[in-house]
Amino acid sequence: AQTVTQSQPEMSVQEAETVTLSCTYDTSESDYYLFWYKQPPSRQMILVIRQEAYKQQNATENRFSVNFQKAAKSFSLKISDSQLGDAAMYFCAAGGTSYGKLTFGQGTILTVHP
Amino acid sequence: GAVVSQHPSRVICKSGTSVKIECRSLDFQATTMFWYRQFPKQSLMLMATSNEGSKATYEQGVEKDKFLINHASLTLSTLTVTSAHPEDSSFYICSAREGDRDTDTQYFGPGTRLTVL
Repeated sequence: AQTVTQSQPEMSVQEAETVTLSCTYDTSESDYYLFWYKQPPSRQMILVIRQEAYKQQNATENRFSVNFQKAAKSFSLKISDSQLGDAAMYFCAAGGTSYGKLTFGQGTILTVHP
Repeated sequence: GAVVSQHPSRVICKSGTSVKIECRSLDFQATTMFWYRQFPKQSLMLMATSNEGSKATYEQGVEKDKFLINHASLTLSTLTVTSAHPEDSSFYICSAREGDRDTDTQYFGPGTRLTVL
């Protein structure tokens, strides 16, 4: 069983600044992986970044990077040089070996101010 | 990249009727697809796991006779909401797993907004 917790219902950031979204998780699986998905107003879920639990190196995708702390079961997302198009609901998700089912956090609404 | 489509994007139906939603993986084969339900400003709730050529696996609390899932090919899964009622109004999202491994990434469709009058 897996649980994912996002403790920040809403966050805001100024354009061009950096913001960090928090996520903690709990799992009984030894092999698992973590995701951040973005859901803009169109409601299309978009994959932002993926992290394999066995990898120590933090994943990076352009302006998006994660801070994966396995022992603390923490998986935060850092968005650098924030852009207006980054405004969306962000979901943290954990997946394991049970057919690859994902467990989602509650979501964080990110507002970007010009 | 991996693209998943859903049809229709919006549907309005009368109470008591059935509605079918299609989920297609356009540029890859998906042995496993997933169906989610999302209420406004809430998270995604997994309803069922759809495996090609076999019966779907439903999450606890999801009525399998009400939400019929068929995964007849490697690129198509359908969700039929039978005898729909206003409480079934919601946003339904499908995803398709790109690959056969449990660890392969899921890609999501654009969702279907169902309104039952």
